[in-house]
Amino acid sequence: EILMTQSPATLYVSPGDRVTLSCRASQSVQTSVAWYQQKPGQSPRLLIHDASIRAKGVPARFGGSGSATVFTLTINNLQSEDFALYYCQQYNEWATFGQGTKVEVK
Amino acid sequence: QLQLRESGPGLVKPSDTLSLVCSVSGASINDYYWSWVRQSPGKTLEWIAYMHHRGGADYNPSLRGRVSMSLDASRNEFSLNLESVTASDSAVYFCARGMLTGHYWGPGTLVSVPS
Repeated sequence: EILMTQSPATLYVSPGDRVTLSCRASQSVQTSVAWYQQKPGQSPRLLIHDASIRAKGVPARFGGSGSATVFTLTINNLQSEDFALYYCQQYNEWATFGQGTKVEVK
Repeated sequence: QLQLRESGPGLVKPSDTLSLVCSVSGASINDYYWSWVRQSPGKTLEWIAYMHHRGGADYNPSLRGRVSMSLDASRNEFSLNLESVTASDSAVYFCARGMLTGHYWGPGTLVSVPS
């Protein structure tokens, strides 16, 4: 099973900040990586697929990059509605998720 | 607008079979891949299964043998069966559109299996 490791576990930021979330795969997953946002009591929302392609309706301040084993989700000009839990997921071999990074207000 | 909604029993006895249904509106079930994903309390997500009406189903290797998925085009819904459940199967179960990426999700349904 491919392990996805996200860092940090919690990120303390302020509105307007540029935020970078990291995800590392235990082996190469090419660009088969997605990023999701989840708020308490809600289902996940797809933000990015294929490592860098924004899903339909996702604001341009969300960007994804990376390949092989190292991936990044960047949020520019963080808005109040962006405080949430973020998961990375690989789907190169079945599908596995990271443990999540919580973006909290500083 | 695509909407998905899960339904099923909130409580299942150990060793019984968990059965869930996802009702789809706003799209034909024959046009896309559909999936089931679960999330144990306070934990990460686990992809359970996906299916397309032309391609059959595929299952998480860790659950293969206990899980099955089916589509019902006449009702525009799809189902999940998980056999021989234990307390570790307690989770929020989500249905989603997509093969191994969830483009649209239902709100989820909580299933508890007492220990």
